[in-house]
Amino acid sequence: AQRVTQPEKLLSVFKGAPVELKCNYSYSGSPELFWYVQYSRQRLQLLLRHISRESIKGFTADLNKGETSFHLKKPFAQEEDSAMYYCAVQGAQKLVFGQGTRLTINP
Amino acid sequence: ETGVTQTPRHLVMGMTNKKSLKCEQHLGHNAMYWYKQSAKKPLELMFVYNFKEQTENNSVPSRFSPECPNSSHLFLHLHTLQPEDSALYLCASSQDYSRRGSPLHFGNGTRLTVT
Repeated sequence: AQRVTQPEKLLSVFKGAPVELKCNYSYSGSPELFWYVQYSRQRLQLLLRHISRESIKGFTADLNKGETSFHLKKPFAQEEDSAMYYCAVQGAQKLVFGQGTRLTINP
Repeated sequence: ETGVTQTPRHLVMGMTNKKSLKCEQHLGHNAMYWYKQSAKKPLELMFVYNFKEQTENNSVPSRFSPECPNSSHLFLHLHTLQPEDSALYLCASSQDYSRRGSPLHFGNGTRLTVT
């Protein structure tokens, strides 16, 4: 069965500092991986997906198949990055979410 | 209106009541989902409809009954709920459930409180 672990429930960094939100997954096949974000008073929305190899709002995520990780990174955090971040793994069809990490960027 | 719209935004109901949650999407998608979001738990998939056919029922108690009359509308009928069913219920849609990598578009959710 698919499982997603986000080990940090809360993460606080200063503006301008690097950010890394951790995500580890378990799935026996080749999964599709996503990061979703929920800003204050907004709906949950897609941030980026592995299949697109994209950088959104300065964030990137690299799939490490050996470590089964898909950590989300940004070199210089901005205050508007404060939000709830969810890692998600899709196996054959079903999308499974992690518990989420609340990121707070301090001025 | 575009996107995924859920009504009502808030709902308080007693354990003997019957109520329904509504979801509507204007994205031309063919898959629709119900998720439950509780404090201290990850998002839990409840039901999936793909091209109006139910393709997933994630061991959800029968007091939750979904209905998908067409690809744009999804309902969740509620009856004899328990206090532990209090949560945020999120509706989502995607292009096609069987298409891997297809992102979900979420509604704002219905905050349900069972008294």
